[in-house]
Amino acid sequence: NAGVMQNPRHLVRRRGQEARLRCSPMKGHSHVYWYRQLPEEGLKFMVYLQKENIIDESGMPKERFSAEFPKEGPSILRIQQVVRGDSAAYFCASSVLQFGQMNTEAFFGQGTRLTVV
Amino acid sequence: DAKTTQPNSMESNEEEPVHLPCNHSTISGTDYIHWYRQLPSQGPEYVIHGLTSNVNNRMASLAIAEDRKSSTLILHRATLRDAAVYYCITTESTGTASKLTFGTGTRLQVTL
Repeated sequence: NAGVMQNPRHLVRRRGQEARLRCSPMKGHSHVYWYRQLPEEGLKFMVYLQKENIIDESGMPKERFSAEFPKEGPSILRIQQVVRGDSAAYFCASSVLQFGQMNTEAFFGQGTRLTVV
Repeated sequence: DAKTTQPNSMESNEEEPVHLPCNHSTISGTDYIHWYRQLPSQGPEYVIHGLTSNVNNRMASLAIAEDRKSSTLILHRATLRDAAVYYCITTESTGTASKLTFGTGTRLQVTL
């Protein structure tokens, strides 16, 4: 059973371009979470999705950022018109149950490191 | 999610036990205590979690205070590979939408 797969591992974009980050959860996992980590900082929650639904997007910037988790295929975090401040590592996690439920652990991917030049 | 407080950094010698403390004084009766760690340039990795009783697994032990306002992650024999940032996190167990909220964690340095 492959772990959480994120691609690309590294992504370079010029200011104003779009960035698309992909996350394939572990097999059988229907809960996906996206986190952002700025250099030398902790992980900040962005969004929580279940298949085809956004459950909690309280950590997502109001503009330029969107996320989806379609019925088929990976979850996508999309950043439009990137700016230098978007440069960060973006991590995806998946779980079989919600975090608040017993015996739930989250499995994280290796992250996508976005550099905006 | 309850707020947690951890020391910014700790040091340990290799092959010695390490006790990483965490305070969560506002924890509710149904909040679980989770520990994750993040090795350099990698995603976070699950370590252990518990509710009231002490827990052991192949990676570590979790000692939870009787009043649940604090807990300690115990690495029985630290190795160089254990050098990482360790995060103590509490989550709600109500079944409603929940997430892991990471704090700043404890950076563990392991030396020979």
